[in-house]
Amino acid sequence: QSALTQPAAVSGSPGQSITISCTGGSSDIGNYNFVSWHQHHPGKAPKLMIYEVNKRPSGISNRFSGSKSGNLASLTISGLQTEDEAHYYCCSYAGRSTWVFGGGTKLTVL
Amino acid sequence: QVQLVQSGNEVTRPGASVKVSCKASGDTFYTSYIHWVRQAPGQGLEWVGWINPKTGGTNPAQQFQGRITMTRDMSVNTAYMEMTGLKSDDTATYYCARELVMVIGGDYFYHGMDVWGQGTTVTVSS
Repeated sequence: QSALTQPAAVSGSPGQSITISCTGGSSDIGNYNFVSWHQHHPGKAPKLMIYEVNKRPSGISNRFSGSKSGNLASLTISGLQTEDEAHYYCCSYAGRSTWVFGGGTKLTVL
Repeated sequence: QVQLVQSGNEVTRPGASVKVSCKASGDTFYTSYIHWVRQAPGQGLEWVGWINPKTGGTNPAQQFQGRITMTRDMSVNTAYMEMTGLKSDDTATYYCARELVMVIGGDYFYHGMDVWGQGTTVTVSS
């Protein structure tokens, strides 16, 4: 099972919006609506930000939104804040009770 | 509030085995899968496998088949992940994470890994 493809790094200024892409295939993102996004600060446990493509868990800011088109999933963060600086990982169900993560994207808030 | 608490860090030799535990509070065991995810130094997250604590069913990622065993003890709400034949590139922080799973009309709905353990660092070094 190959990892999903994410850009290694993205950056933005406070207040701006950024989008992180996550490219999979027809056996994962393209075939299931079980795409999630996790925020990971160094030394801490990952945090679920989006599940089932575009749903936010309780307590997650509506500045975070998710979408999907075909084999491509995206995470958009609007109104960037300094505390958003972290690594972000997409994750998709890949059938036969398996899951796959993306390689991760480092978000820098300039 | 649901919490997952993992066992302490481990230092071990190549070829040895390690067993990591993940204790859950509350009734999360009955409605969740427990995933195991690892992060090697400087690398991204990698899915290792899952266990359904209710049934004991497991599914390791293909690259770990034959090397990991996932079990659970319902009496103490604890899941375990044992890895054998350790190599230096198994050095990583291992996380457990729960995922709520709903079954409606025979279809499975996965609600994301929403609660994570604090991580257990396993160091494999000679």
